[in-house]
Amino acid sequence: EVQLVESGGGVVQPGGSLRLSCAASGFTFSSYSMNWVRQAPGKGLEWVSYINYSGHTTYYADSVKGRFTISRDNAENLLYLQMDSLRDEDTAVYHCARDLSGYSYSSLGYWGQGALVTVSS
Amino acid sequence: AIRITQSPSSLSASTGDRVTITCRASQDVSSYFAWYQQKPGKAPNLLIYATSSLQSGVPSRFSGSGSGTNFTLTISCLQSDDFATYYCQQYYYYPRTFGQGTEVEVK
Repeated sequence: EVQLVESGGGVVQPGGSLRLSCAASGFTFSSYSMNWVRQAPGKGLEWVSYINYSGHTTYYADSVKGRFTISRDNAENLLYLQMDSLRDEDTAVYHCARDLSGYSYSSLGYWGQGALVTVSS
Repeated sequence: AIRITQSPSSLSASTGDRVTITCRASQDVSSYFAWYQQKPGKAPNLLIYATSSLQSGVPSRFSGSGSGTNFTLTISCLQSDDFATYYCQQYYYYPRTFGQGTEVEVK
C-alpha cells in the first residue's frame, strides 16, 4: 500500500524558514516523480513544486520560485520542501503527492494527509 | 501559466441526480487532464486521469470526457458519498494548474 506521511509543519514568523519532509513507503520511491501541493484555509488546491525520479529536474510555481527548494533522498525514501523567506500567504496545508505513473505526463495518483504551515507574527 | 476555468463553483443536487462539471483550459492541453474529489479535512483523491480513464477503485458512475481545452466530469447517479468538492487539473504544462473547485451540496 502506498503511504505518504508529511512532517515538519508548524508556526513560523514572516521571513522565516521551515523544512517539510514526506516519508514514502509501499512503492519503489526512486522510480516515481513527486510533487508538493498546498491548500490555504478555505481555498482551493495550488500545485507548488515537482521533482523527477532522479532529482535532476525540478519545477516550481511562480509564487514560490526562488524561495522554496524541492529535493529528495532516494536512499531514505524521503521528499523535502525547504521553504525560505516565508510570507503570510504561504499559510496552508502542504501535501506531498506521487505521480500516478512513471511517464513524463502524469496525474497525481497518491497523496499524503498534509502538514499545516502557519506563517504569523 | 495555463488558466483553468471551472464551473459551476457550487451546485445543489439530490441523490440520484446526474451532475456535470466543466473545465476550460486557456490553451490546448491535449488529453492530459485529471479530476479529483476532496472531502473536508481529507487529502484529494484521484478520480479520472488522461481525460477519461477511471482510476482503480473509483465507481463507474464517474466519467470524464473532452479534449484540447474543454473537459467534463459527469456523475451519472449521485450517491450520498459523492457530496464533496471536485477539482480539475491539467498536467501537460508546468505549472500543473488546478481549477478553482466545485462544491457539490445536498439540495
